[in-house]
Amino acid sequence: KNEVEQSPQNLTAQEGEFITINCSYSVGISALHWLQQHPGGGIVSLFMLSSGKKKHGRLIATINIQEKHSSLHITASHPRDSAVYICAVPSGSARQLTFGSGTQLTVLP
Amino acid sequence: DSGVTQTPKHLITATGQRVTLRCSPRSGDLSVYWYQQSLDQGLQFLIQYYNGEERAKGNILERFSAQQFPDLHSELNLSSLELGDSALYFCASSETVVSPLHFGNGTRLTVT
Repeated sequence: KNEVEQSPQNLTAQEGEFITINCSYSVGISALHWLQQHPGGGIVSLFMLSSGKKKHGRLIATINIQEKHSSLHITASHPRDSAVYICAVPSGSARQLTFGSGTQLTVLP
Repeated sequence: DSGVTQTPKHLITATGQRVTLRCSPRSGDLSVYWYQQSLDQGLQFLIQYYNGEERAKGNILERFSAQQFPDLHSELNLSSLELGDSALYFCASSETVVSPLHFGNGTRLTVT
């Protein structure tokens, strides 16, 4: 089974700050997922990436396959970015995901 | 809106009872996945179906079962409920196993 470590567990930032959330895993993978869980509980898939870097708006995800490490960056953070961010990697089949414990991000105005 | 519909949104029931959670995947998505999110265990993969067939099984208890119907909607049946089954149950769908996941809003189950 793939082990997933996320850091930090909690992060408080001021609006406009650059945010980085890290995710490390133990076993080589085909793709890594970054998810966002809103305060109401709903989950949104942000990125699925297998190499390099992906960008969507102010969000950037990078992955280093050799180091088994991924980062999620948020540029110019905003209070609406406040959520739990979760990384997930396959254990077994592609969608038998193992999830990190999540990073609770709070962006203060 | 992800296009994945889960019903009901909330469910309160007593120990020993049986409930059925329903998921309608996004139009065109053949794969359906069920996940459980509890306070102590976090998010866990339960089971995956592809076009009506079970494809992968995770930490799903024997008291739980699921199926995917010909119209591609899926149901998760939870029986002999225990207090520890209280959790958020998410359904997700994707076109293929390498396509992005689309999550429903979840069903919050409370067992009293």
